[in-house]
Order: sequence, then structure tokens, then C-alpha cells
Amino acid sequence: DAGVTQSPTHLIKTRGQQVTLRCSPKSGHDTVSWYQQALGQGPQFIFQYYEEEERQRGNFPDRFSGHQFPNYSSELNVNALLLGDSALYLCASRGGAGGPLEQYFGPGTRLTVT
Amino acid sequence: QKEVEQDPGPLSVPEGAIVSLNCTYSNSAFQYFMWYRQYSRKGPELLMYTYSSGNKEDGRFTAQVDKSSKYISLFIRDSQPSDSATYLCAGTSGGSNYKLTFGKGTLLTVNP
Repeated sequence: DAGVTQSPTHLIKTRGQQVTLRCSPKSGHDTVSWYQQALGQGPQFIFQYYEEEERQRGNFPDRFSGHQFPNYSSELNVNALLLGDSALYLCASRGGAGGPLEQYFGPGTRLTVT
Repeated sequence: QKEVEQDPGPLSVPEGAIVSLNCTYSNSAFQYFMWYRQYSRKGPELLMYTYSSGNKEDGRFTAQVDKSSKYISLFIRDSQPSDSATYLCAGTSGGSNYKLTFGKGTLLTVNP
């Protein structure tokens, strides 16, 4: 049973550039959430997608956007990168409405902005 | 005040010790609580999931929630060097709310 997968593993970008991160949820899951984890901090909720729509959003600027595809996979896009966007970006999936609340995380994408 | 507070440690114990990890939270709407283990440079791994107040045991791990004091704990019995990791607590109100609110994590080292 494949768990949550993310790509790429590592990424180095320059300030002002744009980046796209990808996530495939655990088999049987249809809800995907994205989190940002700065060094030495706990993960912070960015947003989550269910039925191809953004359902809930954390305190992140509009530079952070996302998408969910019909196969439940998801993308996180960040525009106009800032040095402070350097972090581990985590994708988590769970079963949909009425399903178990447990969220399972992928290995993350480590983004470095120079 | 952060919604979930967690002592970042670091905490160092000898192999075989009983470890107690703790968090406090301020959001009264939280009803579901989770503990994750995160090895260095890896994604968090779900360890325990509890609802409301009470205890839940799974092998060497016991999770406790006291909603009256807004206090959550994770106990690890017979700790092993492989338990060395960062432990993250998280809360959520559940229902249609998918957001997990995490503490900063506690770095645990179990010495052989």
C-alpha cells in the first residue's frame, strides 16, 4: 500500500522565482493538505483540498496557491519566492468527509531559496 | 499565546527509561489530538490518535488527554535508541475542519 509521495525531494530556487511541488495521496484518500515546516518549528497549515476545491486555508499570502486533480493528487505553487519561504513542505492526506481524521504525511520537499 | 505549546527540549534519557512528553493547548474547540514522530529530515509519522479526554495505549506508547486542564501527554515505556526523534503533538476540532495545529516539537535522544 503506497503511502503519501511527494516530488521533488529537494529544490533550490532564487528569490522572485516560482515553484511547483507535487503530492500523491495515500491509496484510498481523497483529501490533501499542505503544511510548511520551518527549521526547528512544527508544521504550519497552508490549505487543504477536497473534491478539487480549496476548502480551508491557513494564514498564508496569496502567493501560495494550489490545485487538486481528479485523481486526488495535488500541487502547491509558490510565486515570487522570498528567502523566508525556505522550509520543508509537507503534504498530508486523509479519507474524505466522514472518514477517519488521521492525517498521513509524505516525506516532504525541502525548498531552499537563495 | 500559541494554540499548542510544547517544550522543545532537548530531552536526553538512558535506554530503558520511561519518557514523558507534554503539550498544553488553548483552543477549547480541540477534540482530537495526535502525536507524530519525526526523524531528522523526514516527514512526520502518525503514532497515536485520541479523541476527547482519556487514555489510549499502543504497545510501548500511551497517550493521555485531560481536557479540563488542556494538557496532553505521551508516555514511552522501555525507551529504545530507535525512539530518538522529534515528537510533535497536534490538535484539531475535527468535523469539516481538516487543519492540524502543531506544537514546535520535542527533540528526544535515547542513549544506549
